[in-house]
Amino acid sequence: RKEVEQDPGPFNVPEGATVAFNCTYSNSASQSFFWYRQDCRKEPKLLMSVYSSGNEDGRFTAQLNRASQYISLLIRDSKLSDSATYLCVVSLNAGNNRKLIWGLGTSLAVNP
Amino acid sequence: DAMVIQNPRYQVTQFGKPVTLSCSQTLNHNVMYWYQQKSSQAPKLLFHYYDKDFNNEADTPDNFQSRRPNTSFCFLDIRSPGLGDAAMYLCATRDWGTNTEAFFGQGTRLTVV
Repeated sequence: RKEVEQDPGPFNVPEGATVAFNCTYSNSASQSFFWYRQDCRKEPKLLMSVYSSGNEDGRFTAQLNRASQYISLLIRDSKLSDSATYLCVVSLNAGNNRKLIWGLGTSLAVNP
Repeated sequence: DAMVIQNPRYQVTQFGKPVTLSCSQTLNHNVMYWYQQKSSQAPKLLFHYYDKDFNNEADTPDNFQSRRPNTSFCFLDIRSPGLGDAAMYLCATRDWGTNTEAFFGQGTRLTVV
């Protein structure tokens, strides 16, 4: 089993749609969780950190379920500019393990 | 203002000719990472530094080396680039202690001819 798993997509949705991405992680000791966005041929950029209580930033909502080891990202009212790859990232933050564990990413295409 | 700067943005090198990629940061972060990313794949960690403490990934080829002369700078040396080393190379920094997110440079796209 991969350490971080995501549905690769691609997700093709019309403008205005609501789309949800899911991510599961295998190590229950994981402590920090992030969603990054990566545009074609660009570097990943942080979209949101994910907190236990869930958090929202405009049209974006992130949820964490520690019991199920599951993270989600919800995008409401999709815009054309949301087209990108969304990467789920998990960090252990334990001892000397400072690595960020990356999912393979979920590709989103928002169509007019 | 860019906080993690990679140079050059684009690098073309000949097969077997050593090449060095550079990364600098203004964030004073104690961790610096080097990733290799190929098309439609997630970033693959090559190695990381915690201050001067170097951590190599088990599957990173010996062809790849790194140097971190001070907190602000980190270099990736590819001793004998092969065609399979053509990729985007991403540098990232992180503040180990606050467990915040990693900040990425814009990457160096390496072409091997």
